[in-house]
Amino acid sequence: RKEVEQDPGPFNVPEGATVAFNCTYSNSASQSFFWYRQDCRKEPKLLMSVYSSGNEDGRFTAQLNRASQYISLLIRDSKLSDSATYLCVVNPFGNEKLTFGTGTRLTIIP
Amino acid sequence: NAGVTQTPKFQVLKTGQSMTLQCAQDMNHNSMYWYRQDPGMGLRLIYYSASEGTTDKGEVPNGYNVSRLNKREFSLRLESAAPSQTSVYFCASRGGGGTQYFGPGTRLTVL
Repeated sequence: RKEVEQDPGPFNVPEGATVAFNCTYSNSASQSFFWYRQDCRKEPKLLMSVYSSGNEDGRFTAQLNRASQYISLLIRDSKLSDSATYLCVVNPFGNEKLTFGTGTRLTIIP
Repeated sequence: NAGVTQTPKFQVLKTGQSMTLQCAQDMNHNSMYWYRQDPGMGLRLIYYSASEGTTDKGEVPNGYNVSRLNKREFSLRLESAAPSQTSVYFCASRGGGGTQYFGPGTRLTVL
């Protein structure tokens, strides 16, 4: 089983719709969780950290379910500029290394 | 404040040639990383450096060497390039809370 698994997509979603991605992780000791965004032929950039109680940043909501070992990302009122690949990232406690999922590709359709 | 910078942006090598990818960060971060990204494989860690003077292997270190020259700079060397090393290479540094900041990448083709 991969350490971090994501549905690769692609998700093709009309502008204005709500879309959600899930990501599962295998290491129950993992303590830190992130969503990164990567535009085509660009470097990954932090979208948001994921906190145990869930957190929101504008149209984006991230949630963590430790019991089932998954994190989720919800995008409301999607914009054309949201088209990108979204990477799920996990950091086991005390470990210098982040583990990246292979990403979920999202395309917002006008 | 440039963040993380990488040179070169593009490189074409012939099999057996050597080259060094340069990375520098101006955020005073202790930890720095080298990744490669291939289609369908995601980001894979090659080497990392938790602090100046230390380096450790990641998931795919074979065929690579690294040097942590000082706190700012972390270089990746390919001693004898192979076609399997054709990839996009990203350098990153780690800030507080575990967030990693990436450079713009180097696109390497080995013929």
